Amino acid sequence: ETGVTQSPTHLIKTRGQQVTLRCSSQSGHNTVSWYQQALGQGPQFIFQYYREEENGRGNFPPRFSGLQFPNYSSELNVNALELDDSALYLCASSTGALNTGELFFGEGSRLTVL
Amino acid sequence: GENVEQHPSTLSVQEGDSAVIKCTYSDSASNYFPWYKQELGKRPQLIIDIRSNVGEKKDQRIAVTLNKTAKHFSLHITETQPEDSAVYFCAASKVTGGYQKVTFGTGTKLQVIP
Repeated sequence: ETGVTQSPTHLIKTRGQQVTLRCSSQSGHNTVSWYQQALGQGPQFIFQYYREEENGRGNFPPRFSGLQFPNYSSELNVNALELDDSALYLCASSTGALNTGELFFGEGSRLTVL
Repeated sequence: GENVEQHPSTLSVQEGDSAVIKCTYSDSASNYFPWYKQELGKRPQLIIDIRSNVGEKKDQRIAVTLNKTAKHFSLHITETQPEDSAVYFCAASKVTGGYQKVTFGTGTKLQVIP
């Protein structure tokens, strides 16, 4: 069984640039959610994808967008980067959008915006 | 929306002692309460969870209690060991609008002193 993998692990961008982060979900999981974890804070929900559609969104502006592909892998895109976007971005997969249950996290992508 | 408060933010205990972390939540519709452990530079991993129809759950040295009336839940670790040192996050979860909404606390950094 393959766990959740994310890439890249670290990256540095400058203000105004755009970034794409990638996530492969755990085998058999059809739901992917993305979280932003600022230093010293708990993960904050960005959005969830199920069957290639965004079906839930947290309090993040539209410049945070995503995709889910037929193999359930996912991308997080952030446009017009701001300094406050510096954080660890975690992808989590789970077995169904309509269930409460365990989230399986990847190791995260640490983004630094200068 | 849901608000999860977690205390304390840091906790130091001697090896062999017990550790208790407390969380409160605001949304009475939340019905699933997981606890995640995040070691430095690692992914959050589920260590125990409890659903709203249960008041207590135990797994070896770890136990969680839930008081729905008071909207608070707690993590208890007995006979602490150095490998228990990590950041612990509580969370409250529910299915709403077709997705699992998970709200995390701000974390407790546990240090177990040998």
